[in-house]
Amino acid sequence: AQSVTQLDSQVPVFEEAPVELRCNYSSSVSVYLFWYVQYPNQGLQLLLKYLSGSTLVKGINGFEAEFNKSQTSFHLRKPSVHISDTAEYFCAVRALGGSYIPTFGRGTSLIVHP
Amino acid sequence: GAVVSQHPSRVICKSGTSVKIECRSLDFQATTMFWYRQFPKQSLMLMATSNEGSKATYEQGVEKDKFLINHASLTLSTLTVTSAHPEDSSFYICSARSEGTNYGYTFGSGTRLTVV
Repeated sequence: AQSVTQLDSQVPVFEEAPVELRCNYSSSVSVYLFWYVQYPNQGLQLLLKYLSGSTLVKGINGFEAEFNKSQTSFHLRKPSVHISDTAEYFCAVRALGGSYIPTFGRGTSLIVHP
Repeated sequence: GAVVSQHPSRVICKSGTSVKIECRSLDFQATTMFWYRQFPKQSLMLMATSNEGSKATYEQGVEKDKFLINHASLTLSTLTVTSAHPEDSSFYICSARSEGTNYGYTFGSGTRLTVV
């Protein structure tokens, strides 16, 4: 089984500042990793995913994440945030092969202040 | 890219009535669909997994007679909340997986159900 820990339930930041949203996972097998964004009263939108290859993954809206196998982390970063980035962010993992069911973290609320 | 259309986006119903939520994959065949429930400020809680043409697999604690799931075709899955009660009020989200979506999952836009 897999588990995902998003340590920060809320991250306040000022506009144009950099931000990092932390995600750590636990799994006995290799995993695929995902970050999703959810705007109020909407579904989830895929920001980026790590399947294999380069550990630095670039996604939409200027976000990127780095897979660190030794630290079992997949932190999400953006060098300069906008007001429009205010949303809920979910980290998710899925085991290679076997069940296709992803496991989600509890989410991190990013609040960008002007 | 892959698109999943979920309807309705918002529904208010009276206690005791049933509500059907539809989830359609518009440009791909969804072999597997997931139904989630999300409480305010919380993560997604997986309710059930449905595969086209077979019975849905429900997570522990989810009443299969209350939350009826049908996945009759590769492009349509429905969730029917039967005899709804105020405690069923929540945000319901569907998600589809397809062999062609490169291991990603495409989500519907969600349905806000309010039972009065």
